[in-house]
Amino acid sequence: QQPVQSPQAVILREGEDAVINCSSSKALYSVHWYRQKHGEAPVFLMILLKGGEQKGHEKISASFNEKKQQSSLYLTASQLSYSGTYFCGTERMGNDMRFGAGTRLTVKP
Amino acid sequence: ETGVTQSPTHLIKTRGQQVTLRCSSQSGHNTVSWYQQALGQGPQFIFQYYREEENGRGNFPPRFSGLQFPNYSSELNVNALELDDSALYLCASSSMTGELFFGEGSRLTVL
Repeated sequence: QQPVQSPQAVILREGEDAVINCSSSKALYSVHWYRQKHGEAPVFLMILLKGGEQKGHEKISASFNEKKQQSSLYLTASQLSYSGTYFCGTERMGNDMRFGAGTRLTVKP
Repeated sequence: ETGVTQSPTHLIKTRGQQVTLRCSSQSGHNTVSWYQQALGQGPQFIFQYYREEENGRGNFPPRFSGLQFPNYSSELNVNALELDDSALYLCASSSMTGELFFGEGSRLTVL
């Protein structure tokens, strides 16, 4: 029931863009995105509740294709502070959040 | 800071022992979830409590149990500890809008 994330890891230079994908084999109620820096707790980025919804947060945005049960996180013009591990979390019933294995993003100067 | 506090931050136990982890949720949040995060892995859902009742459970054995109190703080209890229980245990409280606010976690080492 865990969502599948890809890629597992990505290395960028400052200013480059990245896309992180999240897919589920089951119909979804919502998709969440979190970022976790080493040794810290995951921090909420955004939640997508409706099929086809897109949301933005500074230079980070996400889409949710309800029919395909997929979500993508878009990071544009990456900054050093974007480094960390990104997790997508999916809910089927609203009380059973499952997280993917994570995508480790490294942004280099 | 999320306003979610967990204790203890670190602890070491031996196989077969029991452990209790505590969590104070953010003010106004009546839902608390617990997650187990092994090194290099994503958080694994243990269970969720809503207004003192268990409201959802992941694939964890019954020796993982919990409580939520009237002030919405929560406890996670693990009996008969096994080596594989070594992990970071995260508590998260959530608002009506659904986003999770995580505490810093309790790192459990089982020897």
